[in-house]
Amino acid sequence: AQSVSQHNHHVILSEAASLELGCNYSYGGTVNLFWYVQYPGQHLQLLLKYFSGDPLVKGIKGFEAEFIKSKFSFNLRKPSVQWSDTAEYFCAVTHAGNMLTFGGGTRLMVKP
Amino acid sequence: DAGITQSPRHKVTETGTPVTLRCHQTENHRYMYWYRQDPGHGLRLIHYSYGVKDTDKGEVSDGYSVSRSKTEDFLLTLESATSSQTSVYFCAISDGTSGDSTDTQYFGPGTRLTVL
Repeated sequence: AQSVSQHNHHVILSEAASLELGCNYSYGGTVNLFWYVQYPGQHLQLLLKYFSGDPLVKGIKGFEAEFIKSKFSFNLRKPSVQWSDTAEYFCAVTHAGNMLTFGGGTRLMVKP
Repeated sequence: DAGITQSPRHKVTETGTPVTLRCHQTENHRYMYWYRQDPGHGLRLIHYSYGVKDTDKGEVSDGYSVSRSKTEDFLLTLESATSSQTSVYFCAISDGTSGDSTDTQYFGPGTRLTVL
């Protein structure tokens, strides 16, 4: 079955550490890719999205993601995390039509 | 933030009772969605709407029905709530008009539903 996988379920980092969260999808053909963030007790907010063009996408709050088609991956990165980045991060994909399929999420805890 | 509100924000109910959750948007967007969020599953699509009176099923539609009589309102009904429907429910709207895969979805604040 077509799916989106986030293999890191929980990540704990210290402030100023670098972050990379994995996202892999199993769809063939053209995909559109999204990263959403959910801060504690809040709704999902769009971090960044990739539709086409430069595979390195920059989003809000210093986040970026790289689309690697050959690896079916869209990993999220940030060079230096802050305590305020503590949240749950979701990768999502649209394939045909505008239905989003989400990964299971990665909970990030940043220790001050 | 997109103009999306959900009501109620919290609800506790008993097994077997009907429950209706409301999503209201002020963006006049065509597409609206209902998701449920459960630990380890991310968000899963329950139902969606592509216009007034036009709805379709998502991945986990069993036990749920929806209605959209106005562009701005999308209702999710649990006809007879069960404990397995305890979850956080999110409404979303899409900024697209043609259902293209480049549409971006924006989410409401969520409703936490507990079924005892």
